[in-house]
Amino acid sequence: DTGVSQNPRHKITKRGQNVTFRCDPISEHNRLYWYRQTLGQGPEFLTYFQNEAQLEKSRLLSDRFSAERPKGSFSTLEIQRTEQGDSAMYLCASSVGQRGGLSNEQFFGPGTRLTVL
Amino acid sequence: RKEVEQDPGPFNVPEGATVAFNCTYSNSASQSFFWYRQDCRKEPKLLMSVYSSGNEDGRFTAQLNRASQYISLLIRDSKLSDSATYLCVVNRYGNKLVFGAGTILRVKS
Repeated sequence: DTGVSQNPRHKITKRGQNVTFRCDPISEHNRLYWYRQTLGQGPEFLTYFQNEAQLEKSRLLSDRFSAERPKGSFSTLEIQRTEQGDSAMYLCASSVGQRGGLSNEQFFGPGTRLTVL
Repeated sequence: RKEVEQDPGPFNVPEGATVAFNCTYSNSASQSFFWYRQDCRKEPKLLMSVYSSGNEDGRFTAQLNRASQYISLLIRDSKLSDSATYLCVVNRYGNKLVFGAGTILRVKS
């Protein structure tokens, strides 16, 4: 499968625990994005990387959230001290960046569904 | 006010019907426009890009009115398989996508 993959697909955790999600983008894509989606809403942008550089972070990304893309390939999103309000679907997407900053289509992974009890 | 506004629906239509969805966006600096489709508990997938000249892909027609900051999607001859949530999406400058909350379509036999 050459699409975007995410692991785990589901995560149930207790409030206060730390969780880490992984995203493997399409191999030739240099841009990687994280979004969060709650029930009845569209996905909301969290952060994006061009290669290994994190170029933009949303105000939604509190200090408890950290994302990395150390070698410009896969990325991890860690949430520390989880809260019930963190329960959501975390979606990863990747794209090929063009000159001038424009991007091609973003391809989404299947998401990681987080439930914080 | 949200940056991208859509009527949440649901739109309940019979097979074969024509249905139209509308969307407005607030940021005039938006540069690219899309409709994504999302099936229940699945990831969003690009349905089509939207251009000022209008574009058509089979039964689907999308239109952009930059002056009014308005985007539309028309589905003709609805199929049961068209049942999904349709997300209106804008892109300001090549990176993050800004999604509307989605419009639910249910096509019934």
